[in-house]
Amino acid sequence: QKEVEQNSGPLSVPEGAIASLNCTYSDRGSQSFFWYRQYSGKSPELIMFIYSNGDKEDGRFTAQLNKASQYVSLLIRDSQPSDSATYLCAVKSSNYQLIWGAGTKLIIKP
Amino acid sequence: DGGITQSPKYLFRKEGQNVTLSCEQNLNHDAMYWYRQDPGQGLRLIYYSQIVNDFQKGDIAEGYSVSREKKESFPLTVTSAQKNPTAFYLCASSIKGAPEAFFGQGTRLTVV
Repeated sequence: QKEVEQNSGPLSVPEGAIASLNCTYSDRGSQSFFWYRQYSGKSPELIMFIYSNGDKEDGRFTAQLNKASQYVSLLIRDSQPSDSATYLCAVKSSNYQLIWGAGTKLIIKP
Repeated sequence: DGGITQSPKYLFRKEGQNVTLSCEQNLNHDAMYWYRQDPGQGLRLIYYSQIVNDFQKGDIAEGYSVSREKKESFPLTVTSAQKNPTAFYLCASSIKGAPEAFFGQGTRLTVV
């Protein structure tokens, strides 16, 4: 059973600080990794994807991938109250199915 | 504007009824997907379609049916065989082989 694990939270971070979200996956053959943001009652929206080991930066967001340790993380710098949402990690497994984590609820405190 | 439209936004079903959720996209995407989301859980794949007139079961297809007669449309029917249908249903589409980058706004189905 291919799995993607996330801490459900809530993760509480002061405004302006760095929020760090983590995700581990079980399928060592996975090649593509995605972070989606989901506001309460809304649909997920893709914010980052990463394919290679290392860091990928896009504005205030940085995705980090370590395939040897089978984890992927998302860093949000200068956190804003509008970043408060549930962050879903998704992994495209070796059979090309997208496997989803249950999400981490992030709360940014003003 | 290009996008995915799901309707209705809220749907109430009586026990024993079939209901159909609509999903239409004008992005010219080949692939379309239906997911179910329950509180505190990740998205679970119900059905997906990579091409017109073809679709595949996902992890939780029992009690659901789909059709893909047009590229733009991928309706989901929740049948009376689905014993616990209350959930948030999400339709998504993508270019074939790409991640499911675009979601509709979702349909919240409640059994009354």
